[in-house]
Amino acid sequence: DAMVIQNPRYQVTQFGKPVTLSCSQTLNHNVMYWYQQKSSQAPKLLFHYYDKDFNNEADTPDNFQSRRPNTSFCFLDIRSPGLGDAAMYLCATSRDTSLSYNEQFFGPGTRLTVL
Amino acid sequence: AQTVTQSQPEMSVQEAETVTLSCTYDTSESDYYLFWYKQPPSRQMILVIRQEAYKQQNATENRFSVNFQKAAKSFSLKISDSQLGDAAMYFCAYRSSEYGNKLVFGAGTILRVKS
Repeated sequence: DAMVIQNPRYQVTQFGKPVTLSCSQTLNHNVMYWYQQKSSQAPKLLFHYYDKDFNNEADTPDNFQSRRPNTSFCFLDIRSPGLGDAAMYLCATSRDTSLSYNEQFFGPGTRLTVL
Repeated sequence: AQTVTQSQPEMSVQEAETVTLSCTYDTSESDYYLFWYKQPPSRQMILVIRQEAYKQQNATENRFSVNFQKAAKSFSLKISDSQLGDAAMYFCAYRSSEYGNKLVFGAGTILRVKS
C-alpha cells in the first residue's frame, strides 16, 4: 500500500547530540511536511518542501533543519536537541499546494526523547 | 493569522450514542477549507471529513457529519452510533486557500467511548 513511513518510531538522544529523523513516501507526492507535536498540543508546522524548494515557517528555530535528497525521502535534522525539543514529529505529504484541495497524508510519527 | 479553538479537552460517549465535538476558528478569509482529523493512540493521523467554505451544504461521511456555521465561524463534528474504534484524539484544522497547503490545528479533543 502506498503510504508515508517514518523511522524510527521512537528515538532517544542526549542533550546536545545531533539527531536525524527520517520520512519516506510511496505516494510520489510533490510536497513533504514536518510537524512538531508536543504532548497534548496541536501539531505545529516546522517547514515543508515543494519538490526541492524549501519553505521554512517564520518561527521555526534555527536548530531545526531539513533535507530532501529525492522525491521519496525527507529528513529532519535537529542540530543540538534541547529538553524542550522532546515531542512527536509528524511527516506528511500532499500531491500539491495549489488552491484546489490537496489532502495531507500523515505518517505514524517519531517520538523523540531527549535525556 | 488564523486560529483554531477546540474548547473541549475531553469528551466521553456511550457506545452506539451520538457525540458532538466543537470547533471555532478565526479568519478574515472568505474561501478556505476545514477538516477533522482523527489520531488514534500510537497510530497515524487520518482525515475524517472536510468542508469547503464556499459550500453551504454540510459534509457527511457515513457516521460522521459536520455542522458548518460560516457566519459564526463554527465547525462541529457529530459522530453517530459511536463505536469503540472511534476512541482517539480529534483535531480540527483550518487550511487557507491562499497560503499553500498549510494546516493550522486546534489543540484537540480526546474522545473516550464507553462500552
